[in-house]
Amino acid sequence: AQTVTQSQPEMSVQEAETVTLSCTYDTSESDYYLFWYKQPPSRQMILVIRQEAYKQQNATENRFSVNFQKAAKSFSLKISDSQLGDAAMYFCAYRTGGSNYKLTFGKGTLLTVNP
Amino acid sequence: NAGVTQTPKFRILKIGQSMTLQCTQDMNHNYMYWYRQDPGMGLKLIYYSVGAGITDKGEVPNGYNVSRSTTEDFPLRLELAAPSQTSVYFCASNPPGRAEQYFGPGTRLTVT
Repeated sequence: AQTVTQSQPEMSVQEAETVTLSCTYDTSESDYYLFWYKQPPSRQMILVIRQEAYKQQNATENRFSVNFQKAAKSFSLKISDSQLGDAAMYFCAYRTGGSNYKLTFGKGTLLTVNP
Repeated sequence: NAGVTQTPKFRILKIGQSMTLQCTQDMNHNYMYWYRQDPGMGLKLIYYSVGAGITDKGEVPNGYNVSRSTTEDFPLRLELAAPSQTSVYFCASNPPGRAEQYFGPGTRLTVT
């Protein structure tokens, strides 16, 4: 069974600085997807970024980028120029390719942004 | 589009009571999902559906039932509420050919 591990229960960053959140996963599949979701205090789950395993290029979305290391099964999220609105719980999630659409989530990392 | 909507937002149940959590999406997505999120944990899949009339169990289905009579609606039924079902419940959907799921705002359920 696939597992997703987020080893940092909490992280903090100063406003305008950069922070990296870690995620590792375990799978025997070669075709899969990885995601980062943000959950602010409102509880809404918001997709931040996605990465297809077959793509070597790391995904970027504005201030958010990933470092995808397929051999190491590592998928970290970098937030640049951190803003107060980035404060939230961040979840790493995994999905196999094919017709099984189930998402497997890590336990999350709580990010605090200090002014 | 309203996206994925869930009702109610909050609910308190007594042990042994029953209720249905409603989920509706207006994006014509075939795939729909129910997750629960316990404190300090990620989301765990309860049930999912790949289209009207088709449902299947996820990781934690015990104590729940689902139905999918239309593309838009995917209700989750709790028959005999137990304190272990105290959680936040999320409904999600995704369109065919797209990997990411879109989530509703969640329902916070407390069973006492």
